[in-house]
Amino acid sequence: EVQLVESGGGLVKPGRSLRLSCTASGFTFGDYAMSWFRQSPGKGLEWVGFIRRKGYGETTEYAASVKGRFTISRDDSKSIAYLQMNSLKTEDTAVYYCSRDPKPFDYDPSGYYQDWGQGTLVTVSS
Amino acid sequence: EIVLTQSPATLSLSPRERATLSCRASQSVGSYVAWYQQKPGQAPKLLIYGASNRATGIPARFSGSGSETDFTLTISSLEPEDFAVYYCQQGSNPLTFGGGTKVEIK
Repeated sequence: EVQLVESGGGLVKPGRSLRLSCTASGFTFGDYAMSWFRQSPGKGLEWVGFIRRKGYGETTEYAASVKGRFTISRDDSKSIAYLQMNSLKTEDTAVYYCSRDPKPFDYDPSGYYQDWGQGTLVTVSS
Repeated sequence: EIVLTQSPATLSLSPRERATLSCRASQSVGSYVAWYQQKPGQAPKLLIYGASNRATGIPARFSGSGSETDFTLTISSLEPEDFAVYYCQQGSNPLTFGGGTKVEIK
């Protein structure tokens, strides 16, 4: 059974940094691209970015709203994907979800997401 | 960035009624659309991918149709557990979601 567990959320002041983790189990982590999404309280869903497999150089893509501030990385030996968030703004307040691409080995994400974690809440406030 | 517009924002229906949800894209996305159901405090649940393919374990009362810019999610007969918020999503980079349709009990 695929399991994704996000952690690392909490209350942080504007301008500070926070790192989220997504710990995976139930599949061969290194075979899949991993993505991050977020959902502001009472609002809709927003894609944050994704990271490709090691075989594709662990290259990343980001939403314009976070590019240059957020960095996605992965540690295949630990089956963990990370979301490093710097220069946080109040508008970054959201529940953050990680998700796995449904197909292994693909270069481009499949564009849909079957498996999601339960989310971790990040609150940016002074 | 491709903008997805969902309508209506809220759909008030009774159990066993048919629900028809619309999603319109600002430019063609082919068949690269997925639909998700979300209940309070839960992660989104994939219902449909590739515009018309049901995800694993999704009941046959859920169906998707459409292509290019106009897409529809149909729930043929609402069950009590189907009252939730539904989002469409297109799969071209950058991925984007519609604003959601809330299906509420009338």
